[in-house]
Amino acid sequence: QQQVKQSPQSLIVQKGGISIINCAYENTAFDYFPWYQQFPGKGPALLIAIRPDVSEKKEGRFTISFNKSAKQFSLHIMDSQPGDSATYFCAASRSQGGATNKLIFGTGTLLAVQP
Amino acid sequence: DSGVTQTPKHLITATGQRVTLRCSPRSGDLSVYWYQQSLDQGLQFLIQYYNGEERAKGNILERFSAQQFPDLHSELNLSSLELGDSALYFCASSPRGELLNYGYTFGSGTRLTVV
Repeated sequence: QQQVKQSPQSLIVQKGGISIINCAYENTAFDYFPWYQQFPGKGPALLIAIRPDVSEKKEGRFTISFNKSAKQFSLHIMDSQPGDSATYFCAASRSQGGATNKLIFGTGTLLAVQP
Repeated sequence: DSGVTQTPKHLITATGQRVTLRCSPRSGDLSVYWYQQSLDQGLQFLIQYYNGEERAKGNILERFSAQQFPDLHSELNLSSLELGDSALYFCASSPRGELLNYGYTFGSGTRLTVV
């Protein structure tokens, strides 16, 4: 119940194309769903996050789509650029009162954007 | 600079040895999380501390231990090291309260190589 399943494992997209990464979770108590971007040799950096009370959140070229009934969420990168080439992780967490709980990560997607 | 400081950046040690990894959370953050990242295991949650107290444990080996000090910095102690402990170890911190805008902030990690 603690798992977050992420697909695909790797993705190659042409410059200007749309990158789509999908995640599914099991624990309905999860109420925080972030996406992280990680470049080689660096720590994961928060990209965008959503709570289950909205179905979509957009920040610039990055959009999270959330389907609560299907327990799925996805990251869309519009107009993908070579600089977006990185590993992307979805994650989920369950907040408890005023303190936050651990993040459960997906297995990651290695995105390569070809020029 | 994410605001989360990890030292050292690199560590090479022999099997059977003990090492200590240090983490200073972002100013004001009360929670500290430790994650292990290896090629075949992704980001695995090890342990969480909140304001000096252990809050949650993940798949942390008995040879590993951690603590959070009154100034909120944390240390991860790894003992009787084995070759399989070679990995990137990340520390993350989070504020109490609203996650959506700040999330979990990761440090740049400590790369541990056991030879």
